Amino acid sequence: DAGITQSPRHKVTETGTPVTLRCHQTENHRYMYWYRQDPGHGLRLIHYSYGVKDTDKGEVSDGYSVSRSKTEDFLLTLESATSSQTSVYFCAISEIDNEQFFGPGTRLTVL
Amino acid sequence: LAKTTQPISMDSYEGQEVNITCSHNNIATNDYITWYQQFPSQGPRFIIQGYKTKVTNEVASLFIPADRKSSTLSLPRVSLSDTAVYYCLVVPSGAGSYQLTFGKGTKLSVIP
Repeated sequence: DAGITQSPRHKVTETGTPVTLRCHQTENHRYMYWYRQDPGHGLRLIHYSYGVKDTDKGEVSDGYSVSRSKTEDFLLTLESATSSQTSVYFCAISEIDNEQFFGPGTRLTVL
Repeated sequence: LAKTTQPISMDSYEGQEVNITCSHNNIATNDYITWYQQFPSQGPRFIIQGYKTKVTNEVASLFIPADRKSSTLSLPRVSLSDTAVYYCLVVPSGAGSYQLTFGKGTKLSVIP
């Protein structure tokens, strides 16, 4: 399996608090992605990165920001969490070919 | 990006061959067809990709007709462990980042 870890794996937080999810890779892949998965919606892309400090928005980026200061780390921040951001968050990585490798996921609950 | 349409769910008995068809009428000349598999509580996993005709690996086969407007994922002799959601995606070729568009997928339930 590709070397991708996500932390934390589970988190419960309250509305209005900031939350940061971390994705760490040991594969030195150039591209990194954050998705969210909700029942009835499949996976939806939040943000992605095509290099250190190079990021772009995905389909559902409102309320989220990202940062990538090192090749191996991609952070997803919810500045002020809302209940609608309760979801399972997946990080993925890829190189120049078309296959994306997914992490184990983070289950976030916003009360 | 081309939109894909696939059945919401399918049931199959163990040992049978399962075929999941995906339609992608607006596929572009340089697009590939890619399938991912997702088990409960796990991230999706790439299983097969093709451009035309037939591709086979140790997990599945992918059949793509000449017009490329549809494709069929074939899983030979399924077992209970093949119960998962299967996603059909159309992916642009070439280097660079891209946005994978996952639809709702096909939930395959394998029955003993």
